[in-house]
Amino acid sequence: DAGVTQSPTHLIKTRGQQVTLRCSPKSGHDTVSWYQQALGQGPQFIFQYYEEEERQRGNFPDRFSGHQFPNYSSELNVNALLLGDSALYLCASSLGTGTGYTFGSGTRLTVV
Amino acid sequence: QKEVEQNSGPLSVPEGAIASLNCTYSDRVSQSFFWYRQYSGKSPELIMSIYSNGDKEDGRFTAQLNKASQYVSLLIRDSQPSDSATYLCAGGAINTDKLIFGTGTRLQVFP
Repeated sequence: DAGVTQSPTHLIKTRGQQVTLRCSPKSGHDTVSWYQQALGQGPQFIFQYYEEEERQRGNFPDRFSGHQFPNYSSELNVNALLLGDSALYLCASSLGTGTGYTFGSGTRLTVV
Repeated sequence: QKEVEQNSGPLSVPEGAIASLNCTYSDRVSQSFFWYRQYSGKSPELIMSIYSNGDKEDGRFTAQLNKASQYVSLLIRDSQPSDSATYLCAGGAINTDKLIFGTGTRLQVFP
């Protein structure tokens, strides 16, 4: 049973560039949430997708956008990268609401 | 007040001892809570969930929830060096499906 898979595992981008991160949820899960975790901090909620719609959004600028596909997989796009966007980006899937997430292994993004 | 607060630690305990990790939460957090373990450079792994007042036990782990005091704790019995990690407390935000995480407590179990 495959868990949550994310790609790529590591990425180095230049300030101002754009990046796309990908996530496949755990089998049977229909909801995907994205989190940003800076070094030494807890994960911060970016947004959540359900039925191909953005259901909720955290305090992140419009440079952060996403998409969910019919097979429940999801993408996170970040435009006009800033140095402060360097972090571990975590995808988490769940079935329904009020349940704990299953996290993927994350994508380590470094902006130089 | 932060929505979910944890002491960053490190909390150092000898092997075989009980490790006690604590978390407080604000009114903006609902009554569902989760403990995640995160090894350095890895992603969080769900250890325990608790929804009702009182204790919930799973193997060496016991989660405790006190709604009146807005307090959640995780006890790890017979701590092992492999338990050394950062433990994240998370609560469900009111009227949403998102989880709000604390900054985590680093636990060190020494032989």
